[in-house]
Amino acid sequence: NAGVTQTPKFQVLKTGQSMTLQCAQDMNHNSMYWYRQDPGMGLRLIYYSASEGTTDKGEVPNGYNVSRLNKREFSLRLESAAPSQTSVYFCASSEAQYPGQGGEWTGELFFGEGSRLTVL
Amino acid sequence: KNEVEQSPQNLTAQEGEFITINCSYSVGISALHWLQQHPGGGIVSLFMLSSGKKKHGRLIATINIQEKHSSLHITASHPRDSAVYICAVSPYTGANSKLTFGKGITLSVRP
Repeated sequence: NAGVTQTPKFQVLKTGQSMTLQCAQDMNHNSMYWYRQDPGMGLRLIYYSASEGTTDKGEVPNGYNVSRLNKREFSLRLESAAPSQTSVYFCASSEAQYPGQGGEWTGELFFGEGSRLTVL
Repeated sequence: KNEVEQSPQNLTAQEGEFITINCSYSVGISALHWLQQHPGGGIVSLFMLSSGKKKHGRLIATINIQEKHSSLHITASHPRDSAVYICAVSPYTGANSKLTFGKGITLSVRP
């Protein structure tokens, strides 16, 4: 099935441990994202990749690193986990097209199922 | 002030009612997304629109670019519509750019 696959779905870490969240999409999208979702805060962008080989910081990048290994895969790494990084993490991919003046943007946006991370 | 504001914050409706969820934004945009998230579940994109109106089944999304406002309407609501509805915008620089999200509206539809 087409879509965004992220792993693991659940993870418990101790403070200071490291881990990598993996994300892959099979829709040939250029744009990929990592978000975190916390109660009352909504979705906040951690990192964004507009295309293979490029990454850009989002709203809350501190404590995270990313790699856009190829067009399909975009991984998120926590080098030294902290309790403040306890959250639900979502990977997403998107593609949009603009037909030209007077036209309308069309496109699609897909999210992974989420990864629930607890840091003790 | 958040760039994307949603109202009301929480909404309870009776099955069969017509529901409207609003989204206002303060920045120039290229496109707006409506997303749905069921409790404990993933996030699904319902609509992407940059003008006018779109319809899918019982869901209708409208946008007024001049007023920087969008609405999501649910006709003949059903308990399975109970979810969080999130509005997100792409900046005017392009719909492939970073999205800014509202905090979401929690909708409960009672049978």
